[in-house]
Amino acid sequence: SQQGEEDPQALSIQEGENATMNCSYKTSINNLQWYRQNSGRGLVHLILIRSNEREKHSGRLRVTLDTSKKSSSLLITASRAADTASYFCAPFGNEKLTFGTGTRLTIIP
Amino acid sequence: GAVVSQHPSRVICKSGTSVKIECRSLDFQATTMFWYRQFPKQSLMLMATSNEGSKATYEQGVEKDKFLINHASLTLSTLTVTSAHPEDSSFYICSARRGEPYNEQFFGPGTRLTVL
Repeated sequence: SQQGEEDPQALSIQEGENATMNCSYKTSINNLQWYRQNSGRGLVHLILIRSNEREKHSGRLRVTLDTSKKSSSLLITASRAADTASYFCAPFGNEKLTFGTGTRLTIIP
Repeated sequence: GAVVSQHPSRVICKSGTSVKIECRSLDFQATTMFWYRQFPKQSLMLMATSNEGSKATYEQGVEKDKFLINHASLTLSTLTVTSAHPEDSSFYICSARRGEPYNEQFFGPGTRLTVL
């Protein structure tokens, strides 16, 4: 299995601004999933993008995938205080998901 | 998204006792279920992978006799922490994979275990 590496490790922005997080991985994948974790809670599944997709939207979320660069990005538009959380990417080859340290996003009211 | 429940959400027990944690996929059948643990301010660490009706596969360094996993059906997996000690105190999170063609993986809300 492989884990994604999120960048930056921490990000603080003003409410209403957009937040962009990046993910890099090492080997080929079938899909890549993004998750959010609030402190002391489980992971919430945000979005899955398949290896043959380049971009996907879900509400205020926009995910891109560049398999040639082995990278993905998660954009949250018009951020809200409730978006404060840790965000993890999970590249999926064909076995198990493992996780990096995530991006800690703080939205300043 | 699909729903995975976990019970209990919080448990406090005495050292030496065993604790069972249940994980259920509520609205889909899970081909595979996973158990993770998370220490404060750290990422999730995969403990084991289980498929219905077969033995769990444990990650390196995870004691299979201490962390018993039973995957009784396509919607239920249990983790039993046997003879718990304070160092087993952690946040345990289960996960269920939906399988082809989606292969999405959903997580439970977690169980906070405190061993006194």
